[in-house]
Amino acid sequence: RKEVEQDPGPFNVPEGATVAFNCTYSNSASQSFFWYRQDCRKEPKLLMSVYSSGNEDGRFTAQLNRASQYISLLIRDSKLSDSATYLCVVSVQSNAGKSTFGDGTTLTVKP
Amino acid sequence: SQTIHQWPATLVQPVGSPLSLECTVEGTSNPNLYWYRQAAGRGLQLLFYSIGIDQISSEVPQNLSASRPQDRQFILSSKKLLLSDSGFYLCAWSGQGGVLGGYTFGSGTRLTVV
Repeated sequence: RKEVEQDPGPFNVPEGATVAFNCTYSNSASQSFFWYRQDCRKEPKLLMSVYSSGNEDGRFTAQLNRASQYISLLIRDSKLSDSATYLCVVSVQSNAGKSTFGDGTTLTVKP
Repeated sequence: SQTIHQWPATLVQPVGSPLSLECTVEGTSNPNLYWYRQAAGRGLQLLFYSIGIDQISSEVPQNLSASRPQDRQFILSSKKLLLSDSGFYLCAWSGQGGVLGGYTFGSGTRLTVV
């Protein structure tokens, strides 16, 4: 079983739709959680951190469920520019800052 | 502000040739530095990380090596490339104390071994 698992998709949604991605992790000692966005043939870029209380940044909402060991990303009012691969990242602080990346979920927003 | 530079952007090398990829960070001191590789359509695989000068940890056995001769310089090398070394190589940095703020990645090197 992978340490971090994501539904690879692809998710194909129309503009304006709401879409949600889930990510599960296996290491109960994990302490830091992130979502990254990666455009085709580009480097990943930090989208948002994920906090226990949940956090929101504009149209994006991230949630953490420690009991069930999953995190989620909700995108409301999808834009064409949201088309990308979304990577779930989990870190155990004791690991000198090493993180484990999921394989990513691909989102395509269509007009 | 902090910036990370990685070069070259694209590289085509024959099997058996050597490799040297360089990464430098500006605007911060004593960063944690990382080399990741991403195969086509796959996630990121951690290759090496470094918490200080000449302090390198390897995550997977392979024919690659890494060095950190200066605080903000991280080099990925190979003496003889294999076809399986093809991929997208990404350098990243994070602040000391872990990844509370996440990573910042360089723009990557797309390596094709032929």
